[in-house]
Amino acid sequence: SYEMIQPPSVSVSPGQTARITCSADALSDQYAYWYQQKPGQAPVMLIYKDSKKPSGIPERFSGSTSGTTVTLTIIGVQAEDEADYYCQSTESSGAWVFGGGTKLTVL
Amino acid sequence: EVHLVESGGGLVRPGGSLRLSCAASEINFSIYAMCWVRQAPGKGLEWVSGITNSGNGTDYADSVKGRFTISRDNSKNMLYLQMNSLRAEDTAVYYCTVQGLYWGQGSLVTVS
Repeated sequence: SYEMIQPPSVSVSPGQTARITCSADALSDQYAYWYQQKPGQAPVMLIYKDSKKPSGIPERFSGSTSGTTVTLTIIGVQAEDEADYYCQSTESSGAWVFGGGTKLTVL
Repeated sequence: EVHLVESGGGLVRPGGSLRLSCAASEINFSIYAMCWVRQAPGKGLEWVSGITNSGNGTDYADSVKGRFTISRDNSKNMLYLQMNSLRAEDTAVYYCTVQGLYWGQGSLVTVS
């Protein structure tokens, strides 16, 4: 299986824009998904198929892709956005692959 | 609202077995592929196993292949994970999920 590389941590001040990247060769032809996980809670899907959002996800969250890198952008970060964020994609077999996770700290 | 509830976790000795269950409600269960994802204490998410909507196709992470078996009973809206030959490194919270969109609250498995 392949690796999906995320930065371990990102820090931003409230109201600023946070960008979390995820890189993997497979992302050039496989969709990416993003999840938010807060301590003691199950993950929540933020983005599916690179840039689509499930219902109920705030507008400030968006996903984009460029080649083998996908990016989760949070515009106007709020204190409640402090959490771990994971990218995920799939292998040709259908098996899922997760990135190592990025801890977003809101300063 | 879709509801997933895992059960069956607990403390088990190395080499032992456990069977996790995931009860699904308010969802047309039989049309969705399902997965198990785990999270070791303080670590990231790890995909464990997946099963097609019919149950005819299954896949496993290399770390559990040959030891874990995923199955489902569409008549009961239930997903299962039979875990044999458990190791300390299998200690984790195990989540069932519907295509990543819906998740249970997790079931803690401790192998010690």
